[in-house]
Amino acid sequence: GAVVSQHPSRVICKSGTSVKIECRSLDFQATTMFWYRQFPKQSLMLMATSNEGSKATYEQGVEKDKFLINHASLTLSTLTVTSAHPEDSSFYICSADDSNSPYGYTFGSGTRLTVV
Amino acid sequence: GQQVMQIPQYQHVQEGEDFTTYCNSSTTLSNIQWYKQRPGGHPVFLIQLVKSGEVKKQKRLTFQFGEAKKNSSLHITATQTTDVGTYFCAGNAGNNRKLIWGLGTSLAVNP
Repeated sequence: GAVVSQHPSRVICKSGTSVKIECRSLDFQATTMFWYRQFPKQSLMLMATSNEGSKATYEQGVEKDKFLINHASLTLSTLTVTSAHPEDSSFYICSADDSNSPYGYTFGSGTRLTVV
Repeated sequence: GQQVMQIPQYQHVQEGEDFTTYCNSSTTLSNIQWYKQRPGGHPVFLIQLVKSGEVKKQKRLTFQFGEAKKNSSLHITATQTTDVGTYFCAGNAGNNRKLIWGLGTSLAVNP
């Protein structure tokens, strides 16, 4: 079946540094990628929707200059957390809109970010 | 805005007991999906329901989509310790590809 590879699975970074998270669709083309964050014991919160070749659409309250999204190809979307702070520590998950999937979405395995 | 309420938030059961989680949407959904997330893991797709009044079964799991396409339920018969996790419902409204997520129900099963 369709697979979205998300890397890294875990990352610990120092406060003030930037972290890049990659999501690759391995056997299909993802024109749309959704980026979520999830705090412990909470639901998934949509951060932004990225479309290949165009600017991402951010949800209300999400700082676009802090969470940089690039979707330069049909198989790769990246999320960069810039100038990370401890409050950015969270679980980040991507989801590709896959027209070949019976339900349309394929999720990455998530990235657990810890900012110290 | 559009939201999906999900209850209960937590449920503790003895192994062998049944479990049900319910979702209620403020808006009519074009579909409802169910996901399971194990502690430390990512959401794993379980099933999608599309038709009004649809019922689907997967072994001990029974999924229902309401007639008005605003509510849904997941019922697990005779829970096992492997059922532990958080169950989320999520749906699309109209042609919008963004999923509207429920808050999840965390299931704990005592052996």
